[in-house]
Amino acid sequence: AQSVAQPEDQVNVAEGNPLTVKCTYSVSGNPYLFWYVQYPNRGLQFLLKYITGDNLVKGSYGFEAEFNKSQTSFHLKKPSALVSDSALYFCAVRADNYGQNFVFGPGTRLSVLP
Amino acid sequence: EPEVTQTPSHQVTQMGQEVILRCVPISNHLYFYWYRQILGQKVEFLVSFYNNEISEKSEIFDDQFSVERPDGSNFTLKIRSTKLEDSAMYFCASSEALYNEQFFGPGTRLTVL
Repeated sequence: AQSVAQPEDQVNVAEGNPLTVKCTYSVSGNPYLFWYVQYPNRGLQFLLKYITGDNLVKGSYGFEAEFNKSQTSFHLKKPSALVSDSALYFCAVRADNYGQNFVFGPGTRLSVLP
Repeated sequence: EPEVTQTPSHQVTQMGQEVILRCVPISNHLYFYWYRQILGQKVEFLVSFYNNEISEKSEIFDDQFSVERPDGSNFTLKIRSTKLEDSAMYFCASSEALYNEQFFGPGTRLTVL
């Protein structure tokens, strides 16, 4: 079965500092990995994905993520955080040999402090 | 930019009543999904729909739930007899291809009293 862990419920970072939101996964086949962001009372917005190829994936709003197969991780990063990045971040995975649904992690609340 | 839309934004109903949540996926997308998110908790998959039939469903999606694509644009989720524990935010999503990213609507907040 597929599963996703986001080990931190909350991440606090000062504006201008780099941020990392962690994600580890477990799948039986090759993983397809995604990051979504959710602002209050809004739906989920797609940030970036890893399907195949370069392990470093660049996405929207200056975010990037690095796929690490040996550590089964897909951490989300940004070199310089903005207060407007404060939101709930979800990592999701699906396997290439499994069903069509995403399995979402529990979410990490990012607070960027001015 | 095309987007997934959902109506209503908020639905309040009495326990035991039927509700229908509506979604308009992005027009050239072929795969459609429903998820739910109980307040403050994780996003849970309910069902996926392709080629006018359910392709996968979770344990949550029991006989009280059904989905339909009644015309070329709408995608609906029906809950026949709502329970208190059905109170949640329900998200519709669509994707162009099977392994592409899914685009989510803004959600319908369902409150069962």
